[in-house]
Amino acid sequence: DSGVTQTPKHLITATGQRVTLRCSPRSGDLSVYWYQQSLDQGLQFLIQYYNGEERAKGNILERFSAQQFPDLHSELNLSSLELGDSALYFCASTPGTSDTGELFFGEGSRLTVL
Amino acid sequence: DAKTTQPNSMESNEEEPVHLPCNHSTISGTDYIHWYRQLPSQGPEYVIHGLTSNVNNRMASLAIAEDRKSSTLILHRATLRDAAVYYCILRRNAGNMLTFGGGTRLMVKP
Repeated sequence: DSGVTQTPKHLITATGQRVTLRCSPRSGDLSVYWYQQSLDQGLQFLIQYYNGEERAKGNILERFSAQQFPDLHSELNLSSLELGDSALYFCASTPGTSDTGELFFGEGSRLTVL
Repeated sequence: DAKTTQPNSMESNEEEPVHLPCNHSTISGTDYIHWYRQLPSQGPEYVIHGLTSNVNNRMASLAIAEDRKSSTLILHRATLRDAAVYYCILRRNAGNMLTFGGGTRLMVKP
């Protein structure tokens, strides 16, 4: 158990819909990272937040957005969903921004868009 | 970002050592070498990381070439539970995100 909690574990929805994925980082961790893993693209970095502020941006679509709340949990919002958005979405956390150690990953949220 | 090259897949027998290679010829002086693994249906899991010296922990050993252009992850006694995709990643600066490549799928035979 990494200490990172993601909900929901599984989600099935239709094209055009909007979903929200939630991540609770390890206690005390200020940085949260979101990754997408699809069969053909592997693990892709989407976005990082540190203590409520966006820190780094990767291959995140404009239809996707994220935020980190004062209690440090984070939400990834996916809108106007397309079939290609079906993937595993992972959240990870670290204590800060200057650490060089490990990222702690959650078990992921599996999104299926029909 | 500097890239890493790993074999797509490797096979090992249970209870034998496994050496997983990684080439990173364009590594810079500030790049840390990280290894993660991903078991089926799970999130990536940290294995080990290092900068210049060889490193050991309870999971594995990391051997880093003197010129740092390659490294090897060593599992001393493979178990069936070690069957996973192993990712070798260069972490450019402190605090930056990890950029995953294709990794090596390790299969462990009983």
